[in-house]
Amino acid sequence: GAVVSQHPSWVICKSGTSVKIECRSLDFQATTMFWYRQFPKQSLMLMATSNEGSKATYEQGVEKDKFLINHASLTLSTLTVTSAHPEDSSFYICSARAGTSGTNEQFFGPGTRLTVL
Amino acid sequence: QKEVEQNSGPLSVPEGAIASLNCTYSDRVSQSFFWYRQYSGKSPELIMSIYSNGDKEDGRFTAQLNKASQYVSLLIRDSQPSDSATYLCAPGGGNTGKLIFGQGTTLQVKP
Repeated sequence: GAVVSQHPSWVICKSGTSVKIECRSLDFQATTMFWYRQFPKQSLMLMATSNEGSKATYEQGVEKDKFLINHASLTLSTLTVTSAHPEDSSFYICSARAGTSGTNEQFFGPGTRLTVL
Repeated sequence: QKEVEQNSGPLSVPEGAIASLNCTYSDRVSQSFFWYRQYSGKSPELIMSIYSNGDKEDGRFTAQLNKASQYVSLLIRDSQPSDSATYLCAPGGGNTGKLIFGQGTTLQVKP
């Protein structure tokens, strides 16, 4: 099956610092990647849709200046949490869309657990 | 009305039984439907995709889709303790590629 990796798997940082998370599709080209956030015992919340070579589309209520997304190639998207605060502590998960036929299958990375002190 | 509704559970079944997970959705645009399994502390894993009305079987899993009723289900036969997880129903909302996730149903399979 399609493999998506994320790095780092976990990170602890001080309040006010920025954290970059990488998402890579290892064995397929992903024209579209998605970034989700999940708080404990809650469902996945879509933050933004990342298209290769264009600006990301953010969901309502998600601050685009705080969560910077770059989709520089067909296999790499990055999410940077700028000036992180304790309330940004969460499980961040990316997914990559395989195919171009509209099947919309998404394969998820293993996630990055962010803790902001 | 929520876009995707699932019974949060927990649904508890004995080992070897059939687990039946249900999902209703409100978006009539969706043509693709997915079931993901999420173990505690892990990311979701795609287990079934279904695009046409009817049944689709893959090993111990059977997905059922009824677009007219806006209903999709997942049956797990011969349930194993390793099936204990949260199952997420996700209609694909058109060509945007966005998935619309329900809250998920927690399944507990007891030995």
